[in-house]
This record gives sequence, structure tokens and C-alpha cells, in this order.
Amino acid sequence: DTAVSQTPKYLVTQMGNDKSIKCEQNLGHDTMYWYKQDSKKFLKIMFSYNNKELIINETVPNRFSPKSPDKAHLNLHINSLELGDSAVYFCASSQDASGFGNEQFFGPGTRLTVL
Amino acid sequence: AQTVTQSQPEMSVQEAETVTLSCTYDTSESDYYLFWYKQPPSRQMILVIRQEAYKQQNATENRFSVNFQKAAKSFSLKISDSQLGDAAMYFCAYRSYMNYGGSQGNLIFGKGTKLSVKP
Repeated sequence: DTAVSQTPKYLVTQMGNDKSIKCEQNLGHDTMYWYKQDSKKFLKIMFSYNNKELIINETVPNRFSPKSPDKAHLNLHINSLELGDSAVYFCASSQDASGFGNEQFFGPGTRLTVL
Repeated sequence: AQTVTQSQPEMSVQEAETVTLSCTYDTSESDYYLFWYKQPPSRQMILVIRQEAYKQQNATENRFSVNFQKAAKSFSLKISDSQLGDAAMYFCAYRSYMNYGGSQGNLIFGKGTKLSVKP
């Protein structure tokens, strides 16, 4: 069974469109994350979320919004897509936000290409 | 804010040889965790090894070991008996021990080192 899954794995779309990337974890974890990996392979946190709190990286445009229908899902919605949004987006989860044993498990990534 | 620096954009090693990847970090926290992640061409992020800052003993996982120097804020990864399958991007990452400064345990990554393994 896949621990953290993302759909789709590849997404090609036109500038200005609105799109969503879905993330699901079957590990029973409390905390989920979205990371962005740019064309130079640099990984940066976008959001972290548990059932109590959403923390947003201040550099993330408000066109990006995470939505969590339940503890196992954290979807990423992107409005008015721009060329610079092209990247690989990773979802991850951990048991909770603290403690050493809480390894983060990553999804396979979604490669978003904006034309 | 914490930062992680990997000063070697690319490294190369001969199969069966040993290679060391460098990582330094900056933090004012006394308790934290450090990680090395591997990202092969498949782009899956794979945890290689992790270290608790309060532990003086260096972590080891089979052919992978770290040299953790807390005072110097250095966390290098040594790969022994390199194999073709070790070829990948390697990322050093930092995580706060607790929810400091708005962190919820998210990872802070270095820019990565691309490791090539020559047969």
C-alpha cells in the first residue's frame, strides 16, 4: 500500500487556469505538508497543517490554498496559474509536528507545467 | 531563521570507493534534528539517515554514516562502498525539535548535491 499518494503525477495546463493536486496518506498521521521543488531542485516548505493549525510560508502567493476535508487528505488548490508556478510539488506527512521519531514520508511528487 | 548550506553542487565517486558530502547549517536552537534525503531520478524522496542534535554518537545506517560536529554546525554524509544505485541528488535537511517560531516540524533543505557514481 502506498503511504502517501498524490494525483496527478503530471499536470500540464494553460496560464490563468485553476487546478488542484490531491494528496492522501494512509498512515494515520496528524500533520501534513506541501513542499515546492523548483527547476534548480531547491525544496521549500509551502504549508504545514494539522487538525489544529495551518501555517503558511509567508512567501507563498495567496493564489495557493490548502484544503483538508479530513485528517488523511491535504489538497492543494492553485488559482490563476502563472508560468513561475511550474515546479514539482511534494506532499508529505508525519505522525505529529514534534518528536524525533516523526519521520516525514513523502509522496511521489506532481510535476506541474504551466504553458 | 535556520539555513542549510550544501557547498558541493556536484560530486563524483568511483564505484566501491568512499565519498563524503558536506553540509553546514545555522541555527540558534540547541535541540533539533538533521537528516539526509536521497532523490533518485524517479524523484521520490527517500530518507537515508537522521541525527538527533543532543546525541553525540554519529548515526550509521549500513554503508551510510554521518560526521556530526555540533559546535561547528556541520553534518556531513559518508557513503562507503559506493554503488551505482547511490547516484542521486542528496539533500541535507534541518528540523526544529519543537514548534519554534511558527514551525510545525517542517524540513528546511539545503540546495542539494548531485552525486554521480562511475562504474
